[in-house]
Amino acid sequence: QVVLTQSPSASASLGASVKLTCTLSSGHSGYAIAWHQQQPEKGPRYLMKLNSDGRHWKGDGIPERFSGSSSGTERYLTISSLQSEDEADYYCQTWDTGTQVFGGGTKLTVL
Amino acid sequence: QLQLQESGPGLVKPSETLSLTCTVSGGSISTSTYYWGWIRQPPGKGLEWIGSIFYSGNTYYSPSLKSRVTISVDTSKNQLSLRLNSVTAADTALYYCARHGSSSWYVDSWGQGILVTVSS
Repeated sequence: QVVLTQSPSASASLGASVKLTCTLSSGHSGYAIAWHQQQPEKGPRYLMKLNSDGRHWKGDGIPERFSGSSSGTERYLTISSLQSEDEADYYCQTWDTGTQVFGGGTKLTVL
Repeated sequence: QLQLQESGPGLVKPSETLSLTCTVSGGSISTSTYYWGWIRQPPGKGLEWIGSIFYSGNTYYSPSLKSRVTISVDTSKNQLSLRLNSVTAADTALYYCARHGSSSWYVDSWGQGILVTVSS
């Protein structure tokens, strides 16, 4: 069973860049994931699908500031030119035959 | 534009059955490209997949909830439904309807969610 691990929290300054990490369990380096954003008091929003080779496909209306990359079992979400509205929880999600798995989420604080 | 709208009671008594409906608009539920599912989020906690259904009625459920969950689809109404029986306070959560691919199961569309509280 694949497991996703995320740091509980991260912070960065307004206008800066931040790189969030989602780590796949050992033996699952070929898995794609998806990134989702959940702003305070709102439902999640799909950001992008991210393959193991780093190719990613963003959802409609997702700004260019959001990008994804991959290395081994790690999947990254980079947000550049941080804005106040980027303060949110970020979840990674993957799937296996007949099941979906979510990471525990990272709470991003914009200072 | 695709929209997913959850509806149902916001309060359910312990040991009873939680029933929710998701109405899909802006697209047909009868497509081979997507599955439709339910995901929940207890207050202050992370996301938990409950289960998914294809328009043909083929279902997959989370092993931890499988014994209590039924997901069904009504293609004539473009709706899917969730039933969770024998609920306890631990089932108190925001319940989201979602769409994911039929080959790559990444969620690409979410409903706004509905809060269901289990309490007497």
